[in-house]
Amino acid sequence: SQTIHQWPATLVQPVGSPLSLECTVEGTSNPNLYWYRQAAGRGLQLLFYSVGIGQISSEVPQNLSASRPQDRQFILSSKKLLLSDSGFYLCAWRRPGATSSYEQYFGPGTRLTVT
Amino acid sequence: AQSVAQPEDQVNVAEGNPLTVKCTYSVSGNPYLFWYVQYPNRGLQFLLKYITGDNLVKGSYGFEAEFNKSQTSFHLKKPSALVSDSALYFCAVRDRGGSYIPTFGRGTSLIVHP
Repeated sequence: SQTIHQWPATLVQPVGSPLSLECTVEGTSNPNLYWYRQAAGRGLQLLFYSVGIGQISSEVPQNLSASRPQDRQFILSSKKLLLSDSGFYLCAWRRPGATSSYEQYFGPGTRLTVT
Repeated sequence: AQSVAQPEDQVNVAEGNPLTVKCTYSVSGNPYLFWYVQYPNRGLQFLLKYITGDNLVKGSYGFEAEFNKSQTSFHLKKPSALVSDSALYFCAVRDRGGSYIPTFGRGTSLIVHP
């Protein structure tokens, strides 16, 4: 079976500090990977999307970047955090291609508070 | 372009009563439709999907949804609500001919009263 992990679960960081959030998927290969941000417990904002190693699509201009150094690893980073970066960050994966089940599977999320 | 609307921010229902959470969508082609549930401080969990075939789809925890092409709707239903169903529910749509990026609604908070 497949499992998705995110860490850390919670993070409190001062403004201007760097950020690194990690997401890993087990039990599948070549997944489509997604980073979302959820503000105020409501709508999801897609941040980044990846179909393979080193292939990252950015959906909105922002203070964040993403990398996919390995097939099942997706990292969200920032060099200098802003107050507006606070939120709940969700990683998700989807099985691509002919074996796709179409839906996404989400990780447990990281609660980021920038102070 | 694709979009999805969840017209109700909050739905209140008494335990044991039927519940409906509304969703309407817009796509240029044919849709893939999804419902997800989110409990506090947790990730989203997949509930059910419409890909093709029967318009009535059944999912986890006794939930079902009906795809209505003429009304462009995909409402989530359950015959008898439980207090434990209280959560945030998200509808999502993806155009079959489009990218692999779904569009999510803003979410509907379901509150089931004992």
